[in-house]
Amino acid sequence: GESVGLHLPTLSVQEGDNSIINCAYSNSASDYFIWYKQESGKGPQFIIDIRSNMDKRQGQRVTVLLNKTVKHLSLQIAATQPGDSAVYFCAENRPRDNYGQNFVFGPGTRLSVLP
Amino acid sequence: DAGVIQSPRHEVTEMGQEVTLRCKPISGHNSLFWYRQTMMRGLELLIYFNNNVPIDDSGMPEDRFSAKMPNASFSTLKIQPSEPRDSAVYFCASSLSLPPSSGANVLTFGAGSRLTVL
Repeated sequence: GESVGLHLPTLSVQEGDNSIINCAYSNSASDYFIWYKQESGKGPQFIIDIRSNMDKRQGQRVTVLLNKTVKHLSLQIAATQPGDSAVYFCAENRPRDNYGQNFVFGPGTRLSVLP
Repeated sequence: DAGVIQSPRHEVTEMGQEVTLRCKPISGHNSLFWYRQTMMRGLELLIYFNNNVPIDDSGMPEDRFSAKMPNASFSTLKIQPSEPRDSAVYFCASSLSLPPSSGANVLTFGAGSRLTVL
C-alpha cells in the first residue's frame, strides 16, 4: 500500500523578506525551547533558545517569541537569505522527575527562499 | 571542539546483518541522546544516557536495538538483526545536563549516520 509520511508544512518567502515559522507545543510544564535548522544531509543545528520565564529573545537576524498561554512558539528571521533555506524544528524540554532532559521535536517546517 | 562525532556516515547492509553505529560526544558533556529520523515519524528519541547510565530507553523499538555507553567519551547503538524498516538517519546528540535550578541545556547534534538495510 501507499506509505504516508509526515506532511512538512512549507513556507516560501522572497529573498529579503521576513519569515515567521510557527510551532505549537503540547506540554504546559515544558520549561525550555530550542529552534534548530537542518540542511539537507546534515544534523540539526542550534539557532536560538528561550526559557519559559521569558517571552522574547533576540539573536542575530532571529527572534523567538513564546506564548505560554496558548502554548505557541515562533521563529522570526529578518531579511531572509538563500542560505536560510532548510527545515526548521522546534524542540520543547519536558522536565523529568530527576534533572534529566526530555526534548521532544516538532515535525518541522520547510523554508524555501525564492530569488 | 570538533563537536559530536558519528561514524559511519553511511552504511548499506543486508537484512539480518548486525549494524553498529558509534558516537563520540562533546568533551565535558554528561548527557547523550540517540535519535532516529525518518520521513514517516520525524525525529524520535531512542535512548538517553546521563553520566553514562541509561535513563530513558522507552523509545528503543524492540529487543533488536541495544545501546551502550562504556565511558563518557563513547557510545554505540547496535541493531541485530537489522531489517529494512530500520533504514533511517540515526543522530547522536550530547549536552551538559545541570540540576533543575540551572535548567536544561542545548543539545548539540552530530552529522548523523544514514543506514540503508536492503
